[in-house]
Amino acid sequence: GNSVTQMEGPVTLSEEAFLTINCTYTATGYPSLFWYVQYPGEGLQLLLKATKADDKGSNKGFEATYRKETTSFHLEKGSVQVSDSAVYFCALNNYGQNFVFGPGTRLSVLP
Amino acid sequence: DAGITQSPRYKITETGRQVTLMCHQTWSHSYMFWYRQDLGHGLRLIYYSAAADITDKGEVPDGYVVSRSKTENFPLTLESATRSQTSVYFCASSPEPTVKLFFGSGTQLSVL
Repeated sequence: GNSVTQMEGPVTLSEEAFLTINCTYTATGYPSLFWYVQYPGEGLQLLLKATKADDKGSNKGFEATYRKETTSFHLEKGSVQVSDSAVYFCALNNYGQNFVFGPGTRLSVLP
Repeated sequence: DAGITQSPRYKITETGRQVTLMCHQTWSHSYMFWYRQDLGHGLRLIYYSAAADITDKGEVPDGYVVSRSKTENFPLTLESATRSQTSVYFCASSPEPTVKLFFGSGTQLSVL
């Protein structure tokens, strides 16, 4: 079946540090891949997505590249801010089947 | 404002009681979903609906009932609440199943 694995959190960084949150997936075929973000007290919102191999999704300084050969979709940001503190979820959608979410990674950015 | 709203925001109930969580969206999206969010599990799909009067089970449907008589509403009922149903519940909608999901702000449910 389809599944998503994320690095365990929480992740604590200082402001302006480099961020990487690892995500790997298991799926047949070529799923679409997503990163969702959940700010405190809110629902999830789409951060970025990629629909085919080698695509790069980007938004708000975050980037992730769809790597078919390593079945990965790692999230990166060059310089995090306190306002980036949130829970980040990697997810996939495979040919119209329901979304599958990873367990989430909590990020805390300290000033 | 247009969007997806959930109510109540917080709910405390006792085991054995019936509880209904409400979800309303103003976009006329065909698809609606209910997820529960638990530490270590992320989001797990409870039920989903592709259109009015069409519902189907997700990954963890036991103990829950849904209905969708109107496109905009998708209530979730816990017929006899149990402590294991203490969780944060999110409703989501989408115009297509492969397009991004739009989430409500969640309902934090505690079953004592």
